[in-house]
Amino acid sequence: QVQLQESGPGLVESSGTLSLTCAVSGGSMTTNNWWSWVRQPPGKGLEWIGEMYHSGTTNYNPSLKSRVTISLDKSKNQYFLRLSSVTAADTAVYYCARGLAVERTRNLFDPWGQGTLVTVSS
Amino acid sequence: DIQMTQSPSTLSASIGDRVTITCRASQSISSWLAWYQHKPGKAPELLIYKASSLDSGVPSRFSGSGSGTEFTLTISSLQPDDFATYYCQQYNSYPWTFGQGTKVEIK
Repeated sequence: QVQLQESGPGLVESSGTLSLTCAVSGGSMTTNNWWSWVRQPPGKGLEWIGEMYHSGTTNYNPSLKSRVTISLDKSKNQYFLRLSSVTAADTAVYYCARGLAVERTRNLFDPWGQGTLVTVSS
Repeated sequence: DIQMTQSPSTLSASIGDRVTITCRASQSISSWLAWYQHKPGKAPELLIYKASSLDSGVPSRFSGSGSGTEFTLTISSLQPDDFATYYCQQYNSYPWTFGQGTKVEIK
């Protein structure tokens, strides 16, 4: 049973770079899945950030594309999120989630990590 | 982007009640809709995919219906474990988008 766990700094300075790691256990990252990030600002809904396939293909939310990089290390069963030039608006709980690749490219998410709160300080 | 609008935002209900949550898409998404349950401090969990298919292990009191732009999640008899926030998500086209959530509270 695949499980995901986020880790990383809980506090990032404004204008800095947010960096998070998602550790994948109980399965391989080379399956037909997209490795994804989703966030939830306090009191708001869920926002999809982006995803990566083990081949290296990435898709990003256009609203964040200029600032986001997702990468993965198959040998360590981990993948990563980097979000640059952060502001208070990037304060959120960040979740990693496995995309189920319906018809290869349509993604719904299962399972999810428990999430990690990242606060951007001014 | 496809906008997903859920109603109501909050729902107060009692144990045993039948509960219905609506999700509307700003354009047709066929049946490419998922529903999730989210409890505070926990990972969101997939309940339903392709609008009406129950994920493995999800109790049969949950059901989903709809296609095109209008969808519903129904809980036939609300149980104590069901008090949570529910989100819909479209996976018809990028970027994947979610509804703003419906919080089911104890009446």
